Amino acid sequence: EDKVVQSPLSLVVHEGDTVTLNCSYEVTNFRSLLWYKQEKKAPTFLFMLTSSGIEKKSGRLSSILDKKELFSILNITATQTGDSAVYLCAVEALGAGGTSYGKLTFGQGTILTVHP
Amino acid sequence: DTAVSQTPKYLVTQMGNDKSIKCEQNLGHDTMYWYKQDSKKFLKIMFSYNNKELIINETVPNRFSPKSPDKAHLNLHINSLELGDSAVYFCASSFGLLPYEQYFGPGTRLTVT
Repeated sequence: EDKVVQSPLSLVVHEGDTVTLNCSYEVTNFRSLLWYKQEKKAPTFLFMLTSSGIEKKSGRLSSILDKKELFSILNITATQTGDSAVYLCAVEALGAGGTSYGKLTFGQGTILTVHP
Repeated sequence: DTAVSQTPKYLVTQMGNDKSIKCEQNLGHDTMYWYKQDSKKFLKIMFSYNNKELIINETVPNRFSPKSPDKAHLNLHINSLELGDSAVYFCASSFGLLPYEQYFGPGTRLTVT
């Protein structure tokens, strides 16, 4: 069974700090790894990573994938109170025949709290 | 102009009842999903439909039955509700089977007493 483990489970920091969130996975027929941010309601997409070593960046957020060691990290620099959320990591597996069928396996999330 | 909408947003009901949650998307997507998020925040896929055809059917009790009357709607019916069904249920949609384009609805918080 596919498995995604995130650490830490929760993190409390002050504005301006830099945080690193971790995601490790075990999945058969890996296709991609995705990061989502979940505030009070629906998860919103942040990044999709398919290749090792290529950093994806969006403002203060960046992420990188290591397919050899089976993990990804999400970095947030100069954190703000608006970064407070649950950050979810998910892995997409290919189906039989090597085709994508959209199945995501999620980790349990990291709860990030940023204090002013 | 909500992209993915769910009704109701909150549902409180007693064990043994039957209830339905509705989902509609106006994005023109052809794939829709149901996820369950438990109290520990684990988000798990339950079902997905592509062009009204069932694609993903995870190990879910057969008390749960999805129905897709058309590409814009995917409803979830739950029979004989149990305490363990209490969770937030998210609907999502995408164009094709590309996961990064999954748009999530606001969720339905189901509480079974």
